[in-house]
Amino acid sequence: GENVEQHPSTLSVQEGDSAVIKCTYSDSASNYFPWYKQELGKRPQLIIDIRSNVGEKKDQRIAVTLNKTAKHFSLHITETQPEDSAVYFCAASLSGGSNYKLTFGKGTLLTVNP
Amino acid sequence: NAGVTQTPKFQVLKTGQSMTLQCAQDMNHNSMYWYRQDPGMGLRLIYYSASEGTTDKGEVPNGYNVSRLNKREFSLRLESAAPSQTSVYFCASSEIRWTGNTIYFGEGSWLTVV
Repeated sequence: GENVEQHPSTLSVQEGDSAVIKCTYSDSASNYFPWYKQELGKRPQLIIDIRSNVGEKKDQRIAVTLNKTAKHFSLHITETQPEDSAVYFCAASLSGGSNYKLTFGKGTLLTVNP
Repeated sequence: NAGVTQTPKFQVLKTGQSMTLQCAQDMNHNSMYWYRQDPGMGLRLIYYSASEGTTDKGEVPNGYNVSRLNKREFSLRLESAAPSQTSVYFCASSEIRWTGNTIYFGEGSWLTVV
């Protein structure tokens, strides 16, 4: 089955700096890579996703890049703000078909210091 | 439109007691899931149901049973609770699409087994 490794487990940045979280996956057939944000005591919520036919996707201050050859993808947050503080999870799956379950990384606790 | 609703939100059980976590979604999704979240372990899939009438084991199914009551409802049962089952449980649902299987989570159920 799919295995997703996520690094770092904790990340502390100053407000305004950039933050980068990296994930690797094992199943070369995986083609869908979402990122979820979980604030303390809340449910995980999708913030951005990317499919394997795209190398990069941006949404305001967040972007995701994908390198299918190396089987890794990254989340980039620019101009970080205190409200970006949360746990971020990457995930991978083969969308559609019968093997569609999301496999999550173990999460990164991002702290943005004012 | 409430999304994914799960109950109870908090529960304390004694070792050996049984209980059922209830989950319902109003998004007409075919697929439903139960995850558990433990510190440093990320989100681990317990059981899932691809569609009404089907259920399958995930990564950590031991000690749990599930029932897909109808398209809306998917319950998780602990027959004989153990302290190792102390965790936060999330129900989730999704629609299987070739563009990606966005998972929507419930608010979580905090379970403590003493």
